[in-house]
Amino acid sequence: DAGVTQSPTHLIKTRGQQVTLRCSPKSGHDTVSWYQQALGQGPQFIFQYYEEEERQRGNFPDRFSGHQFPNYSSELNVNALLLGDSALYLCASEGYNEQFFGPGTRLTVL
Amino acid sequence: GENVEQHPSTLSVQEGDSAVIKCTYSDSASNYFPWYKQELGKRPQLIIDIRSNVGEKKDQRIAVTLNKTAKHFSLHITETQPEDSAVYFCAASNDMRFGAGTRLTVKP
Repeated sequence: DAGVTQSPTHLIKTRGQQVTLRCSPKSGHDTVSWYQQALGQGPQFIFQYYEEEERQRGNFPDRFSGHQFPNYSSELNVNALLLGDSALYLCASEGYNEQFFGPGTRLTVL
Repeated sequence: GENVEQHPSTLSVQEGDSAVIKCTYSDSASNYFPWYKQELGKRPQLIIDIRSNVGEKKDQRIAVTLNKTAKHFSLHITETQPEDSAVYFCAASNDMRFGAGTRLTVKP
């Protein structure tokens, strides 16, 4: 699994609620990217964090926000959840010219 | 931003045959092109990647070719095995856009 961890594994929320997902990168990696993968589709890039700042952002609304901590771990926050936010959320740990995905958090919005 | 197109969306081959998946990209500044294999219910796993200063890279039964002029790159799997069955994704930097995926089925 390359040492990338995500929590929680599964999560069920209702519309309008807020959610926080967490990612711990591989030891030695300093960059974390977040992706949303809907069923049957490819991962969609949300944003990337490096040195505690958002370095790049995909085409996602401001309801999606993030944070990176000094230990390089990262959080993804989604506000005002919509049914369409139901997906597998993957984080990718990057460094040394390599990238590894975490196991993902499956979010279901009812 | 980058736009990545991947073909075919599904591919079925007989065990032992070769499989080829192709991707095109739009951003000429992209310089890193990884390929991922994703089995059902699991995370994407990097299987091979190529950088823009190289035209071809091979790792056992898997190879990737890159044509920067035409902005396309391809994944080649030779001597396919049933365990190669999965969804394969290409991606292109700089903002790691993924293709829509190819579902490969290898029939024994």
